[in-house]
Amino acid sequence: QVQVMESGGGVVQPGTSLRLSCVVSGFSFSNYGMHWVRQAPGKGLEWVAFISDDGSKKYYVDSVRGRFSISRDDSESTLYLEIASLRPDDMAMYYCARGGYTTSWYVIENWGQGALVTVSS
Amino acid sequence: SYEVSQPPSVSVSPGQTATITCSGAELGHRYVCWYQQKTGQSPVLLIYQDTRRPSGIPERFSGSSSGNTATLTISGTQVSDEADYYCQSWDPTSVLFGGGTRLTVL
Repeated sequence: QVQVMESGGGVVQPGTSLRLSCVVSGFSFSNYGMHWVRQAPGKGLEWVAFISDDGSKKYYVDSVRGRFSISRDDSESTLYLEIASLRPDDMAMYYCARGGYTTSWYVIENWGQGALVTVSS
Repeated sequence: SYEVSQPPSVSVSPGQTATITCSGAELGHRYVCWYQQKTGQSPVLLIYQDTRRPSGIPERFSGSSSGNTATLTISGTQVSDEADYYCQSWDPTSVLFGGGTRLTVL
């Protein structure tokens, strides 16, 4: 079955950088676009970034463009999210999720359990 | 891009029908998805392309769309359906979530 597992979260200081990883299994990773979605404590879902199946298209929410970078390693079935210059409002649970294949890229079909990023000095 | 809005809360009695609406300027031209998130859990896709259910989603969950408003309907609501529900739409380079609706079943 489809499995999505994030790692790399933790307590980080403002202004530092962080890399989140997401290892998947149960499907052909190279055939799917992938998303990162975050959720601040007690708040709603916020889409963060998308990378297409071949890595040629990368989309970001305006509030993170220039600080966040999404990438993928198909040989390792792994998705990444690099976050630079962390701010207090970046504190959130970060979900890795698979985009649609027979549906459409924006359909978020399968979600991981999330990686919690806490920004604190 | 545009905004997508939902009511913050909806209440329903067990066995009754719950309806959650989602509105946005472009929804008449864009498909909508719906997700369920129970407390402490990850979201689950309930509806895509306005009306379609992924395999494994109970038939009591249905979606519809008219004009710039999409609607999630839960028929015969169960206590276990108490959760946050999010609508989601898109434009060519972004995904947009509504603010979420807390469904209370009491």
